[in-house]
Amino acid sequence: DTGVSQDPRHKITKRGQNVTFRCDPISEHNRLYWYRQTLGQGPEFLTYFQNEAQLEKSRLLSDRFSAERPKGSFSTLEIQRTEQGDSAMYLCASSLVPDGYTFGSGTRLTVV
Amino acid sequence: AQSVTQLDSQVPVFEEAPVELRCNYSSSVSVYLFWYVQYPNQGLQLLLKYLSGSTLVESINGFEAEFNKSQTSFHLRKPSVHISDTAEYFCAVSDQGSQGNLIFGKGTKLSVKP
Repeated sequence: DTGVSQDPRHKITKRGQNVTFRCDPISEHNRLYWYRQTLGQGPEFLTYFQNEAQLEKSRLLSDRFSAERPKGSFSTLEIQRTEQGDSAMYLCASSLVPDGYTFGSGTRLTVV
Repeated sequence: AQSVTQLDSQVPVFEEAPVELRCNYSSSVSVYLFWYVQYPNQGLQLLLKYLSGSTLVESINGFEAEFNKSQTSFHLRKPSVHISDTAEYFCAVSDQGSQGNLIFGKGTKLSVKP
């Protein structure tokens, strides 16, 4: 197992376009988390899945953001009508238990 | 609401010197505490964690942190740093009764100079 994989590593998009990121967790992990990290800040929690159920969403996750985890395996995070303020590193993490988890390398989004 | 304060945004130190990265948290409930390390252009790696039991926890590469409930602190220490320890370090807290979502501090950039 190679850990948590995120794709793409980098994405540059024009303002107003839609983007989708993918996260492949460690295969036996049932918990999956999305975080956003902006420059000079620590990661901020966005949303959490247990298996295929989205159990918690942060207020940071506006209506333009949607996350899915079909069949409880990989997850996607879509941002519609991107804005410059969406530029950030989007981090995915997975775990079996809620006491520390494995992060992926992240997807760096730049909105121009 | 929970919060984490990392008191130093940058810590420069010479190789082989000791270092302490400070972390204070606020929470009204019992918590789990974590330190993560982030090397340039990489994701976060778990360095060490406090869940219960002994208040002193250690990592495999010589870091240690001590949970102090009365001070609501979880400072990270290393008696002798190496150039390879240069990275950004994040302290994080989660509510023991939560689903595991973490509240992070803003990070401390440790720069080890030869």
